[in-house]
Formats: sequence, structure tokens, C-alpha cells
Amino acid sequence: KAGVTQTPRYLIKTRGQQVTLSCSPISGHRSVSWYQQTPGQGLQFLFEYFSETQRNKGNFPGRFSGRQFSNSRSEMNVSTLELGDSALYLCASSLASGYLTEAFFGQGTRLTVV
Amino acid sequence: GDSVTQMEGPVTLSEEAFLTINCTYTATGYPSLFWYVQYPGEGLQLLLKATKADDKGSNKGFEATYRKETTSFHLEKGSVQVSDSAVYFCALSEDSSYKLIFGSGTRLLVRP
Repeated sequence: KAGVTQTPRYLIKTRGQQVTLSCSPISGHRSVSWYQQTPGQGLQFLFEYFSETQRNKGNFPGRFSGRQFSNSRSEMNVSTLELGDSALYLCASSLASGYLTEAFFGQGTRLTVV
Repeated sequence: GDSVTQMEGPVTLSEEAFLTINCTYTATGYPSLFWYVQYPGEGLQLLLKATKADDKGSNKGFEATYRKETTSFHLEKGSVQVSDSAVYFCALSEDSSYKLIFGSGTRLLVRP
């Protein structure tokens, strides 16, 4: 079955712009979470959604937001981009309802802010 | 707060050598523990997991045992291959946190 699909794979944006990244989870998975990966900070949790509800949020500024649709697809948005937002953004999906057992990751979206 | 500490890399080994990557954790409860692997240009793939103390996770020749007394989850493989070259991440998840907390990653280079 198809894995987690993230689009686009690569993105170049200018400081001050906004960006929307998309994630389609594995069929049947209702939990979607997002992570930011940078060389300096490593992998950091952004937020997690289950059945269109945000259940947990990481320590990121309000410029980072997300949502989940009724078909479990998710988007994350970053407004007023800064150079430091350049990173690989990874989406993961899981069957989890009460707790995390296994997360399947997409290939990521590489965002470059210039 | 919860955290994961991994040994610094890169770890460079010759093919067929024995591999150990150390991982220790700090958690308030009883987390599940994971090893993920990231190949160049790719996302993360789950390598193995353990959900309670003394559990041993294993996959593709890799093993790790959940040691509550030493708060460790060290990754081992008896004979590495060139194709094992990648970055390995140790991670934990607490019940009802719905998130993974990752270590900084350890790059493994295996030479023929």
C-alpha cells in the first residue's frame, strides 16, 4: 500500500513569504504529526493531529500552524518566513489513538528560505 | 523534560565489523523506545522498537534491549554491511504524548 506522501519535495521561498506543505497519510491512519529537521537542532516535534483535532504542539512560534482534514490529509503553514525556517519538514502517520506505537514517515519537504 | 542522548558520530567501521550505537534516555514515565534510520535524501524508517522493560526489538540483524535499570536502548549488529551506512536515531514516546522525542542522530559509515 502507498506510504506517506509529502508534497512538494522541494521548495524555495523568500523571507517574509508564507508556505503551505501537504501530507497524505497511509490509508487508514488517522494520526498525522509533523517534525522539523535541521543540522543544528536535529528533529523537533511541531504538532500532531488526530481526527481533525490537534492533540499536542511543540515549542514553535505561532507562525507555524497546521490542520487536518476529514480524510486525514494534513497541511502545515508557515507564515512570515525567516531564514532559520530552512529545514527538512517531515510528516509521519500512525494508527495511534491512545498512544504512539509506530510512526511511518514521508520523504519530507525540503524548504529553503532565501 | 524527557530527552534522548546518543553517542556522537560519525562511526566508521569496516564491513563485517560489530556495531554498537549507545542511546540513553530520561523520561518521567514508562516510554516506548525506537530506533529509526535515515538514508541519504530520505525520510525516517522505523528499524525496531520496544514497548516495555526487558523487551528486545530486532530487525534486519539489528537488535536493541530496553534496559530500565540503566535507562538505555543501545543498538547492536553483529556484522555490518556497506548498505547499513546511514544516520541512526534513537527516540522515545510517552503514553498520550502523541509525539516522538529524538536523539541527535549517529552517522554510520561502513567501508568495504
